[in-house]
Amino acid sequence: DAGVTQSPTHLIKTRGQQVTLRCSPISGHKSVSWYQQVLGQGPQFIFQYYEKEERGRGNFPDRFSARQFPNYSSELNVNALLLGDSALYLCASSLGPVKETQYFGPGTRLLVL
Amino acid sequence: QQPVQSPQAVILREGEDAVINCSSSKALYSVHWYRQKHGEAPVFLMILLKGGEQKGHEKISASFNEKKQQSSLYLTASQLSYSGTYFCGTIAGNTPLVFGKGTRLSVIA
Repeated sequence: DAGVTQSPTHLIKTRGQQVTLRCSPISGHKSVSWYQQVLGQGPQFIFQYYEKEERGRGNFPDRFSARQFPNYSSELNVNALLLGDSALYLCASSLGPVKETQYFGPGTRLLVL
Repeated sequence: QQPVQSPQAVILREGEDAVINCSSSKALYSVHWYRQKHGEAPVFLMILLKGGEQKGHEKISASFNEKKQQSSLYLTASQLSYSGTYFCGTIAGNTPLVFGKGTRLSVIA
């Protein structure tokens, strides 16, 4: 079975631009979570979606938004990019919300110049 | 609240053992262990649930002390392939998975 897939793998943007990152979960998984990982730190929780509904939101500004589609894939949008948004963005899928084991995708490396 | 991992970094020779600790100030429901190699995504190792037993995976095992809200990851007879950064993630109540800052493990020949 295919694992979690993310696109694009790398992205370079300039300050003020907007970016959309995409994630497809493992087949059968209904929950998708998004994490931001900066160099030398652990992944930091941004959002979790389950059955197309937001189930949790981390401490990130409103510039960050996400949604989940009927096929359980998900998009993460970041508006008005700042230099500090440069990071590895990880998507993780799980069977259910919150307490289930999460499996990570390869990530999208975003560089903001 | 972010769990605290120790040590921050450790260097081992092949065949040596290591213990990585993860502690929380909150009453935990579960502890999740991941390994991340440079430039790659975190890979799930194991999950320990409140009230559950010690888990094992080949030469990597872990325990969960509910009284102390601590988990330990045991790596025995380390191999070069064990190198990477180990993260513990914790769930308390209905909070999302919160990761520690990681422990960088380097295994040398």
